[in-house]
Amino acid sequence: DAKTTQPPSMDCAEGRAANLPCNHSTISGNEYVYWYRQIHSQGPQYIIHGLKNNETNEMASLIITEDRKSSTLILPHATLRDTAVYYCILQNAGNNRKLIWGLGTSLAVNP
Amino acid sequence: GAGVSQSPSNKVTEKGKDVELRCDPISGHTALYWYRQSLGQGLEFLIYFQGNSAPDKSGLPSDRFSAERTGGSVSTLTIQRTQQEDSAVYLCASRPPGGRYGYTFGSGTRLTVV
Repeated sequence: DAKTTQPPSMDCAEGRAANLPCNHSTISGNEYVYWYRQIHSQGPQYIIHGLKNNETNEMASLIITEDRKSSTLILPHATLRDTAVYYCILQNAGNNRKLIWGLGTSLAVNP
Repeated sequence: GAGVSQSPSNKVTEKGKDVELRCDPISGHTALYWYRQSLGQGLEFLIYFQGNSAPDKSGLPSDRFSAERTGGSVSTLTIQRTQQEDSAVYLCASRPPGGRYGYTFGSGTRLTVV
C-alpha cells in the first residue's frame, strides 16, 4: 500500500490557487516528499520535492508541516493546462527501489 | 538526448507473441526504472537498475517478464507469451546519481494484447 493518502479528486477555478493536500503520517526521517503530475496520455512529470523546509520553484510551492506528517502542493495561479493527476510519494535518499505510487489526486481546472 | 525516449509508442500484439520494449535513458543517469500503468490505476513498479549493481527484479509479475540494461544505458523489457492482462502503458524513468533527484519519465509504450 502507498504510504501517502490524497483526495481522489479536486476542482479549481482557472487563475485561482490550487492547494493539493497529502497525508504521510508514517514518514521516516530520511524520506523526502516528492510531487509529480501526469497529464493524460503522458508520462509523469516531476514537480518539486522537499525534506522539511518549504520549497518553491517555477512550477509550484511545497509546504511541509513541522511534524512532516502532511504536505500541501500549491499551484499559485492554476491554468487549464494544470489539469492532471497529481501524485505525492515518499522517496528515500538512499534506497528507493520500490516506490509505491498511490492513485493521486485528479485535479480539474475549470474555466 | 534531452529526455527519456521509449519505443515503440504503441504496440498491438496477438496473445502468445513475444514483445520487446525499449528505453533510452538520459545520458549520465545511472538509475533506470520500469513501471507499468493499467487504465485508471497508479504506477506499478517492475524492475530497477542502478549502475553495475544487480537489478532489483522484485516487481516483475511473472517469469514471462525480463529486462536487461546493456552498457549501463539502453534497457529492453521483454514480455514472452503475452497475455491480455499484460495490456498496459509501460513507463521507463531514469534518475541521476545521488539520492535526491526526481525521476524523468518517458512517454511510455502502450501495449495492447488482442
